[in-house]
Amino acid sequence: NAGVTQTPKFRVLKTGQSMTLLCAQDMNHEYMYWYRQDPGMGLRLIHYSVGEGTTAKGEVPDGYNVSRLKKQNFLLGLESAAPSQTSVYFCASRPGQGHTEAFFGQGTRLTVV
Amino acid sequence: SQQGEEDPQALSIQEGENATMNCSYKTSINNLQWYRQNSGRGLVHLILIRSNEREKHSGRLRVTLDTSKKSSSLLITASRAADTASYFCATADTTSGTYKYIFGTGTRLKVLA
Repeated sequence: NAGVTQTPKFRVLKTGQSMTLLCAQDMNHEYMYWYRQDPGMGLRLIHYSVGEGTTAKGEVPDGYNVSRLKKQNFLLGLESAAPSQTSVYFCASRPGQGHTEAFFGQGTRLTVV
Repeated sequence: SQQGEEDPQALSIQEGENATMNCSYKTSINNLQWYRQNSGRGLVHLILIRSNEREKHSGRLRVTLDTSKKSSSLLITASRAADTASYFCATADTTSGTYKYIFGTGTRLKVLA
């Protein structure tokens, strides 16, 4: 049982390049989230999904797009990377409505130069 | 804007002492959770307290919730060097009708052996 797996773990991009971060969960969870973590800022919600085929904006969605074509996968895309998107990205999932904890991946460290 | 704000931002104590950290939030909540993050790792769920609960215990952890003051505290008793980590509170934002988990900025705890 792998839980929440993020791919890749590290990546360096040049400004203007695009990339996709993959989050996969094997717990049949309904809700999935993408956060970014910056020093002194805590975790900020980028986008989230409450089920297959649905997505919604979080606190800081600009510059990112997401897709949830399959229930187990939540993809975060950067179409044209900017240095301001240098951060550590975390994916999380939880079963659904109700009082449940979130399970986190190990993070993706992205540097945009 | 961040939902939760932890206080203090950093805390350094001796092994065996108790550590107390506080969290304030802004809107109505369904529950409040505390998470722990070891350096360079994902977040791990510690404890959840529902909005109709005032206190909860789990091992060496004690959490209180005061919904009238929109605040919560996490007490770690008899701290150990292995408790060194960052601690985050997270609230389930129900104002939008869906479950967005909003995290605070975290408290960095250092336990000295």
